[in-house]
Amino acid sequence: NLMLTQPHSVSESPGKTVTISCTRTSGSIASNYVQWYQQRPGSSPSNVIYEDNQRPSGVPDRFSGSIDSSSNSASLTISGLKTEDEADYYCQSFDDYKHAWVFGGGTKLTVL
Amino acid sequence: EVHLLDSGGGLVQPGGSLRLSCAASGFTFSDFAMSWVRQAPGKGLEWVSDISDSGSSTFYTASVKGRFTISRDNSKNTLYLQMNSLRADDTAVYYCAKEDPGIQGAEFHFDSWGQGTLVTVSS
Repeated sequence: NLMLTQPHSVSESPGKTVTISCTRTSGSIASNYVQWYQQRPGSSPSNVIYEDNQRPSGVPDRFSGSIDSSSNSASLTISGLKTEDEADYYCQSFDDYKHAWVFGGGTKLTVL
Repeated sequence: EVHLLDSGGGLVQPGGSLRLSCAASGFTFSDFAMSWVRQAPGKGLEWVSDISDSGSSTFYTASVKGRFTISRDNSKNTLYLQMNSLRADDTAVYYCAKEDPGIQGAEFHFDSWGQGTLVTVSS
């Protein structure tokens, strides 16, 4: 079973850089693309990274994504943190065997 | 601009039924596969079901298989989710989401989301 594990929460100060990890528990992280979604309180999710490292139009280049085969994980890095970046972030990948999209448990980012 | 408007949620007793709708605009609806994703109160995101652009192919997460039916009416630009035999653990905000093939076209991600509609299953 494909599972994606994220830290429950991270916090950092405005202007700093934060990295959120997403570890795939079975199979290679490179087997399927990883997406990242931002969900601000009371709002719907929105896509901030797709296909491991692609930014949708309108997403600032402060957001970047990568994968690391050695740790079998993906990362979302946000630089120049702003208070508006405070949100829950979810990684997501696809389970080919089950034909199912799988989300990580989410990471609450606090910018203080 | 893509717009997805979810509706149809409400309070229903265990064992009851509900039909959710998602009205789409701003894109050629019949060209894109669509999904439903839910979020239980205070919890994370869970993919529920998806349907191909033509409606000929559907998939479900294990916990709703046999109880939920996804469908679409491309002439009305509308996605549906018929939910039967509802249980307390189906309580969640349900979002419709547009699937995009990305640059490589090999896998899909959710590039647009509705505002969500709350389904509460309780006696």
